[in-house]
Amino acid sequence: GAVVSQHPSRVICKSGTSVKIECRSLDFQATTMFWYRQFPKQSLMLMATSNEGSKATYEQGVEKDKFLINHASLTLSTLTVTSAHPEDSSFYICSAETGEPYEQYFGPGTRLTVT
Amino acid sequence: GQNIDQPTEMTATEGAIVQINCTYQTSGFNGLFWYQQHAGEAPTFLSYNVLDGLEEKGRFSSFLSRSKGYSYLLLKELQMKDSASYLCAVRDGNYQLIWGAGTKLIIKP
Repeated sequence: GAVVSQHPSRVICKSGTSVKIECRSLDFQATTMFWYRQFPKQSLMLMATSNEGSKATYEQGVEKDKFLINHASLTLSTLTVTSAHPEDSSFYICSAETGEPYEQYFGPGTRLTVT
Repeated sequence: GQNIDQPTEMTATEGAIVQINCTYQTSGFNGLFWYQQHAGEAPTFLSYNVLDGLEEKGRFSSFLSRSKGYSYLLLKELQMKDSASYLCAVRDGNYQLIWGAGTKLIIKP
């Protein structure tokens, strides 16, 4: 099946620093990738939809200047959390979409802790 | 608005059968997905329904009734490793994926 990798799996950073998370589709080309955030015991919250070669579409309430998304190629999308604060601590998950039936395959997630 | 409803939590016994229901109200419909998510891990795909009826895949089956806006995930011969959250997601008319809050399934010996 389709494999999506995410790096790093865990990161601890200090408040005010920036963190970059990579999402790669390993064995297929993904024209669309999604970034989610999930707080403990809550469901997935879509942050943005990323299409290769174009600007990401952010969901309402998600700051585009804080969560920078770059979809440089058909196999790589990156999420940069800029000037991270403790409230940004969360589980960030990416997914990549294949063709029919438009299944989303998820990366293993990145647990971000901001101290 | 669009919404998906599923029970917050369910408990079942190892070896038994459990049915997790999902009802939805969306603007258009282009398929319904079930995902399994273990604590601290990303979701994994379980099933996809776009036509009415039952799709069987091993111990797991998923049913869809588009006229009723209803689906269920049926898990048979429950194993302890089936303890997880089960997420129902519907693709609406704009191909946006709308997620339910998930059902936490607890399996007891």
